Amino acid sequence: QVQLQESGPGLVKPSETLSLTCTVSGGSISSYYWSWIRQPPGKGLEWIGNIYFSGSTNYNPSLKSRLTISVDTSKNQFSLKLGSMTAADTAVYYCAREGPNCRGTSCYDYWGQGTLVTVSS
Amino acid sequence: QSVLTQPPSVSGAPGQRVTISCTGSSSNIGAGYDVHWYQQLPGTAPKFLIYDNTNRPSGVPDRFSGSKSGTSASLAITGLQAEDEADYYCQSYDSSLGGWVFGGGTKLTVL
Repeated sequence: QVQLQESGPGLVKPSETLSLTCTVSGGSISSYYWSWIRQPPGKGLEWIGNIYFSGSTNYNPSLKSRLTISVDTSKNQFSLKLGSMTAADTAVYYCAREGPNCRGTSCYDYWGQGTLVTVSS
Repeated sequence: QSVLTQPPSVSGAPGQRVTISCTGSSSNIGAGYDVHWYQQLPGTAPKFLIYDNTNRPSGVPDRFSGSKSGTSASLAITGLQAEDEADYYCQSYDSSLGGWVFGGGTKLTVL
């Protein structure tokens, strides 16, 4: 059974950079796309970006200028860096695997439990 | 505001059938992109519920079904149970935005 676990700081100061890591266990990170998705408190889900195990990425255009997603296949991990954080970036951040069975549009079959990141001084 | 529009809330009594709509446009659902659905129980991560418009992952009860027509999709839940009380999200791809998008979510209350 594939499991994902997010790790990183729960509190980030305004203007600083958020760094989160997702560790994948129970399966290899290879041959899949991996995504970051966030959810502000009491609100809906927002796709942040994804990465293939080879390193190719796709980013949400609204976050692209501040965002870097990377992968470390030797550690079975992928990571997110989001710069210039503001209060609007306060959210639960989830990592997820893109399911291999979905035809043309990516779907998310395994999710981490999520980590709350609060932006405050 | 989400590009995929869902009703904020729906409700039904135990045993009843409810449907949740997901309305898009010609740049997402209407363009032929598939729709997926997720169930989010309070305080937990979303759970994969329906993929490619109509398919259920292994372990999802057949009380849950999906459909798609034109620029909209729907999730139907029959034989409502108390444990179905959750938020439900649709998801697809939008070519105008250039990324994957979610609906705003629908809160299902079992009366």
